[in-house]
Amino acid sequence: DGGITQSPKYLFRKEGQNVTLSCEQNLNHDAMYWYRQDPGQGLRLIYYSQIVNDFQKGDIAEGYSVSREKKESFPLTVTSAQKNPTAFYLCASTPAGKGGMNTEAFFGQGTRLTVV
Amino acid sequence: AQSVTQLDSQVPVFEEAPVELRCNYSSSVSVYLFWYVQYPNQGLQLLLKYLSGSTLVKGINGFEAEFNKSQTSFHLRKPSVHISDTAEYFCAVSAPNTGTASKLTFGTGTRLQVTL
Repeated sequence: DGGITQSPKYLFRKEGQNVTLSCEQNLNHDAMYWYRQDPGQGLRLIYYSQIVNDFQKGDIAEGYSVSREKKESFPLTVTSAQKNPTAFYLCASTPAGKGGMNTEAFFGQGTRLTVV
Repeated sequence: AQSVTQLDSQVPVFEEAPVELRCNYSSSVSVYLFWYVQYPNQGLQLLLKYLSGSTLVKGINGFEAEFNKSQTSFHLRKPSVHISDTAEYFCAVSAPNTGTASKLTFGTGTRLQVTL
């Protein structure tokens, strides 16, 4: 079955450590996105990529980094510079490239990151 | 830039009662509008979308929404809710014709709590 796979589902990190969240899709979608979800704040865009080897900052990119070396993969690294990393992270993809998210966006099941 | 306002953070309702979840948006350009549903610790699933044409849009699980351009609203309705509709509902907007890669902007979400 096609879809988006995020791993791990739960992740614990010590303060000062970098951690990488995995996102893989087998939908042959061009665009991929990372959102952060906090209670009462909805979803906020961290980074997005419309094509391999290219990505853009979203609204809250500080303290995060991404790469897009393959069409299927869009890993997110939460660096030690992110002051409040505890959150639920969602990866999404869409078949639209520069046309945007005018079709259905497919979401992964999310990764819950907790800093301990 | 676009913004989305979901006026109610929580909506309690009895089973088999009707429900309306409110969504207003702000944009200086034409937009596409979406409603997504999120069950606990899950990703988001598309309920329905408005791209153009008829202002009344029907989605999955018996939900529908009406686009009102003059009031910049896109309220979600269901005539009779079920316990299984308990979830978080997000309104989102995209602006696909701005000449740059577009993306979804989400509201802060409405928690629908259905009780017996």
